[in-house]
Amino acid sequence: AQSVSQHNHHVILSEAASLELGCNYSYGGTVNLFWYVQYPGQHLQLLLKYFSGDPLVKGIKGFEAEFIKSKFSFNLRKPSVQWSDTAEYFCAVTKPGGKLIFGQGTELSVKP
Amino acid sequence: ETGVTQTPRHLVMGMTNKKSLKCEQHLGHNAMYWYKQSAKKPLELMFVYSLEERVENNSVPSRFSPECPNSSHLFLHLHTLQPEDSALYLCASSQARVGGNTIYFGEGSWLTVV
Repeated sequence: AQSVSQHNHHVILSEAASLELGCNYSYGGTVNLFWYVQYPGQHLQLLLKYFSGDPLVKGIKGFEAEFIKSKFSFNLRKPSVQWSDTAEYFCAVTKPGGKLIFGQGTELSVKP
Repeated sequence: ETGVTQTPRHLVMGMTNKKSLKCEQHLGHNAMYWYKQSAKKPLELMFVYSLEERVENNSVPSRFSPECPNSSHLFLHLHTLQPEDSALYLCASSQARVGGNTIYFGEGSWLTVV
């Protein structure tokens, strides 16, 4: 079955630490890739997306993600996290025109 | 601020009640969705409407009944729910296009079934 896996369920970091959240998917062929973020008490927001082109994608708030086709991965990175980055992060994948499949989410806690 | 508005934000209902969740999108999109977010589980797609027609029903029990009267509004009618249906229900919308589309979410409706 097609699936999206986020390796870390809960990540705890101190401020200024570097972040990398893993995301792997099981689709073949062309895919569209997304990271969404849900801050406490708020709605899901788009962080960044990849449709085509440069596999290194820049998003909002200093986040970036790299699409590595050979590894079926789309890991999210940030060089230096802030307390305000505390949130739940969801990776999602879709085939063009298909439905969006989400990973289980990774809860990030940043300690001040 | 989100272009997708959901009401009510919180709902508590008994198993014999009938209630509805409402969603309105102000983005001019042509597709709308209902997702269910349960604790420690991936987001589950429930229904998809494209151009006001239901194009996907993801094996959702009949106690959940969607309605899409126009491209801006989406309802989820609830009746005889079970406690395990307690979850965050998210509405979303997108502009379906070739090459990919981005889905925008509402804030969600927290549903507790007692």
